[in-house]
Amino acid sequence: QVQLVESGGGVVQPGGSLRLSCAASGFTFSYYGIHWVRQAPGKGLEWVAVVSYDENNKYYADSVKGRFTVSRDSSNNKVNLQMNSLRAEDSAVYYCAREAITAVGAEDYWGQGTLVTVSS
Amino acid sequence: QSALTQPASVSGSPGQSITMSCTGTSSDVGGYKYVSWYQQFPGKAPKLIIYEVSNRPSGVSSRFSGSKSGNTASLTISGLQAEDEADYYCGSYTSINTRVFGGGTKVTVL
Repeated sequence: QVQLVESGGGVVQPGGSLRLSCAASGFTFSYYGIHWVRQAPGKGLEWVAVVSYDENNKYYADSVKGRFTVSRDSSNNKVNLQMNSLRAEDSAVYYCAREAITAVGAEDYWGQGTLVTVSS
Repeated sequence: QSALTQPASVSGSPGQSITMSCTGTSSDVGGYKYVSWYQQFPGKAPKLIIYEVSNRPSGVSSRFSGSKSGNTASLTISGLQAEDEADYYCGSYTSINTRVFGGGTKVTVL
């Protein structure tokens, strides 16, 4: 079955860095784009970034542009989110989600999320 | 990339129908037929329940339906059940395959 498992969350000081990973299984990884979406405690969903199936296209929300970098590790069926210059407002649960192929503009499978806390 | 606008809460009695809105702009909701809806229970990941405005993924109850008019999309839950109590988020495709989400609507079953 399709599985997405995030890891790498934790507590980091403002200005620090963290790398999140999303391990994919149960589907042909190279066919699918992967999105990162975050949710601050008690708040709504916020789209963060996307990497296309072939890694040729990467896009970011304005709030993270220049600080976050998304990449694919196709040999290990993983997507990474490198987060630098972290701010308190980056504190959230970070989800990776698979971009649906047969449902344009939708994400059909989501991981369980990993919590990032930016605090001194 | 402003968030889509959703009402904070909607409530209804069991068996009733409720509808929640999702308002964007011509750059997102109004510009594409690619609005999706997600159901989220506390502490859980979102689950896709509607895609491309009105299509349901396999396994999603037919009590959920979606529509769109101009810059506003809507989700209707018919025959409301206690198990429908959750947060609901709309999302829209935007240019270059990015996404924008709404702030979420909390559905309460009275």
